[in-house]
Amino acid sequence: DQQVKQNSPSLSVQEGRISILNCDYTNSMFDYFLWYKKYPAEGPTFLISISSIKDKNEDGRFTVFLNKSAKHLSLHIVPSQPGDSAVYFCAASAYLTGAGSYQLTFGKGTKLSVIP
Amino acid sequence: DAGVIQSPRHEVTEMGQEVTLRCKPISGHDYLFWYRQTMMRGLELLIYFNNNVPIDDSGMPEDRFSAKMPNASFSTLKIQPSEPRDSAVYFCASSLGISGANVLTFGAGSRLTVL
Repeated sequence: DQQVKQNSPSLSVQEGRISILNCDYTNSMFDYFLWYKKYPAEGPTFLISISSIKDKNEDGRFTVFLNKSAKHLSLHIVPSQPGDSAVYFCAASAYLTGAGSYQLTFGKGTKLSVIP
Repeated sequence: DAGVIQSPRHEVTEMGQEVTLRCKPISGHDYLFWYRQTMMRGLELLIYFNNNVPIDDSGMPEDRFSAKMPNASFSTLKIQPSEPRDSAVYFCASSLGISGANVLTFGAGSRLTVL
């Protein structure tokens, strides 16, 4: 059972337009959400994050929105650039105090292609 | 810092052979994670360590998989015997501290192909 879902395996966007990548989650214990970007033959790299107590976080061209009631978050890239073409992973974290264990769960990723 | 270093970058082996993947985390990081990426399941956490001690290995698929961290600068993930379904990209990551706000730094991954 996937706790973090990225339902769109791929997305194509024209350069200069907005890219919107979506992510849904099921576990209400998640308290932090992150986006990682991955280029071919490289490891994922951190892009932006948001705490569950916020509904928006912005960093340059990248904005993450969180809708807790809908258990949904999205990453907006404006304007999109060809260099943004990569796989984007949504991730959610929770610290399980009872188990003394940390949980960071990734979605399957969305491949973004920005067309010049 | 050179980042998280993984070796080998590519490994092709035959079913039944032992495979050992290696990882050098970022100096000073106290957490180390092993992930596996497949098309079907995405990025899955296999095991993680804190100060060289395994904390949660519930993601390790079965007894054929084992991981060790003999010191703060080295970890291994071993598969014995390997099977074709183990073919995947294996990532090592490290972090300083653990919480949602702590960012993982990933290595470039080891692509394993089991024939």
